Amino acid sequence: EPEVTQTPSHQVTQMGQEVILRCVPISNHLYFYWYRQILGQKVEFLVSFYNNEISEKSEIFDDQFSVERPDGSNFTLKIRSTKLEDSAMYFCASTRIAGGSTEAFFGQGTRLTVV
Amino acid sequence: DAKTTQPPSMDCAEGRAANLPCNHSTISGNEYVYWYRQIHSQGPQYIIHGLKNNETNEMASLIITEDRKSSTLILPHATLRDTAVYYCIVRGPNNAGNMLTFGGGTRLMVKP
Repeated sequence: EPEVTQTPSHQVTQMGQEVILRCVPISNHLYFYWYRQILGQKVEFLVSFYNNEISEKSEIFDDQFSVERPDGSNFTLKIRSTKLEDSAMYFCASTRIAGGSTEAFFGQGTRLTVV
Repeated sequence: DAKTTQPPSMDCAEGRAANLPCNHSTISGNEYVYWYRQIHSQGPQYIIHGLKNNETNEMASLIITEDRKSSTLILPHATLRDTAVYYCIVRGPNNAGNMLTFGGGTRLMVKP
């Protein structure tokens, strides 16, 4: 069964450092997403990406965040200068199409710990 | 997208059916009801979705009331591995970012 894969599974970084979280979406999917979940809290939407541009972003997704699809397979989330409050699980997801009737497939997440 | 309301937690005996309710009284005619689950901080997992008709797949059944204001996810024979947080999400085609809005969900505990 096709799956979304994320690397690394766990990243520890010092405050102020840049991190890049990587995702390989399902190959025939066209829409890509990042979500995050702070420990004990809800899963929160960060950004959606289609046709090489951001289609929607939440207020969490400020100038410190960026996304990129550098080649035909990877989808990355960059945090330029990490803060302690960026510590969370980050989930990548993809969907084949947009619209009301399409299921999203999520990766297993990257646990980011900022120290 | 319409808001949903779910009980925060439920218990179910192993082998019995788990019936998880969801209220979505403000749902619009073109909005779908989705169910996902999250097992212990893993990535959310799609279970099932529907518009008007009841749906069944290998994981679960989805029963949507005729007025579409509520639905029930049924796990016919719950196992210990079904212990998870279950999210009921309503999403329509006009959702610009195609995103999912997760609430608190229902924490289902399946007990031996």
